Amino acid sequence: GAGVSQSPSNKVTEKGKDVELRCDPISGHTALYWYRQSLGQGLEFLIYFQGNSAPDKSGLPSDRFSAERTGGSVSTLTIQRTQQEDSAVYLCASSLVLGGEHGYTFGSGTRLTVV
Amino acid sequence: KQEVTQIPAALSVPEGENLVLNCSFTDSAIYNLQWFRQDPGKGLTSLLLIQSSQREQTSGRLNASLDKSSGRSTLYIAASQPGDSATYLCAVGNTGGFKTIFGAGTRLFVKA
Repeated sequence: GAGVSQSPSNKVTEKGKDVELRCDPISGHTALYWYRQSLGQGLEFLIYFQGNSAPDKSGLPSDRFSAERTGGSVSTLTIQRTQQEDSAVYLCASSLVLGGEHGYTFGSGTRLTVV
Repeated sequence: KQEVTQIPAALSVPEGENLVLNCSFTDSAIYNLQWFRQDPGKGLTSLLLIQSSQREQTSGRLNASLDKSSGRSTLYIAASQPGDSATYLCAVGNTGGFKTIFGAGTRLFVKA
């Protein structure tokens, strides 16, 4: 696609429920990244994918968070048993190659509110 | 561990003024540095990307410089306009670049 697409744009969920956030990167971009931006905070790196592989999952906040990428394209970030502290904007970015030699393109984010 | 600091945290200027936003980083072994703007409730828009071998990049009224040895980058905005009001984020790509570290941003308000 022309840009990085994220869905849903907004999600309100009850505490304890599971949520799935979707990211559709720019076609042909091999690298994909997930970030989290909490209210008044900077961007927190969560995980990156090179193709379908995520070599480093240490940035995920807890074992309730998981992410996958299939076909080298769409990625989903899943949060199980959501907690109020999970409320944030989740941003996805992609780059042509890992390392962003030509820069990163960000999606508009998913605003998650856990009530 | 790379740390990125942006100063000032907030800035309010009258329209037409030239201004400089500052970004500093603690580890000079960077791959690249990118400046973004973020409008309220929106994603990030890339402004300028400087590779580690470069000293500056220019786009329109924007000029970004990079001094790796001192761990600093500046974003210069000429003849500011109300439409420039946004949060400006500096992002440093460490070697490999896959763990880009962001500063907390500078919130800019340009008064008409």
